[in-house]
Amino acid sequence: KNEVEQSPQNLTAQEGEFITINCSYSVGISALHWLQQHPGGGIVSLFMLSSGKKKHGRLIATINIQEKHSSLHITASHPRDSAVYICAVKETSGSRLTFGEGTQLTVNP
Amino acid sequence: NAGVTQTPKFRVLKTGQSMTLLCAQDMNHEYMYWYRQDPGMGLRLIHYSVGEGTTAKGEVPDGYNVSRLKKQNFLLGLESAAPSQTSVYFCASSYPFSGGTAEQYFGPGTRLTVT
Repeated sequence: KNEVEQSPQNLTAQEGEFITINCSYSVGISALHWLQQHPGGGIVSLFMLSSGKKKHGRLIATINIQEKHSSLHITASHPRDSAVYICAVKETSGSRLTFGEGTQLTVNP
Repeated sequence: NAGVTQTPKFRVLKTGQSMTLLCAQDMNHEYMYWYRQDPGMGLRLIHYSVGEGTTAKGEVPDGYNVSRLKKQNFLLGLESAAPSQTSVYFCASSYPFSGGTAEQYFGPGTRLTVT
């Protein structure tokens, strides 16, 4: 079983829909990252959070440390949001990130 | 600023050949990482460095070597390439983890095929 599980693996939405991607992890963490990988392959950090909620534009990330769960929400989705969204956790000990397999999001016009 | 750059972007090797991938960053980051990304799997850490002159093994280090002679550069070497090393390789850098958190900045990736 992977230490970091994302769901769903694939998600197709219509433009304007509200989207939720989930991430569950099984280890103690000090931080959780959400990353976006563009169709061209580039990876960009979206959020890094250790508690509560963060918002940037139409993106919202939440984390529940007790439940070991995080969600990434996209409001008013747009075709340009189509990408792979990756969850990664920084374990309490050690200096590396453990990555989920990613969620492929496709937003149709 | 260029951020994190990787050279080359694409490469095809024959089994047994050697090559070096170069990662450079201009953000004065202490930490640098090499990952590989394979279909159906998350990014996996190959090696990392917490400062100039230091390197450490990650999750999948076998078949790779690294060097960090200058703070801004992190080299990944394949001494004798194998088809199992066909992958997309990403370099990343960050400030030191402080309280366990540091954003990582990724390079554009190198697509390597070993035939």
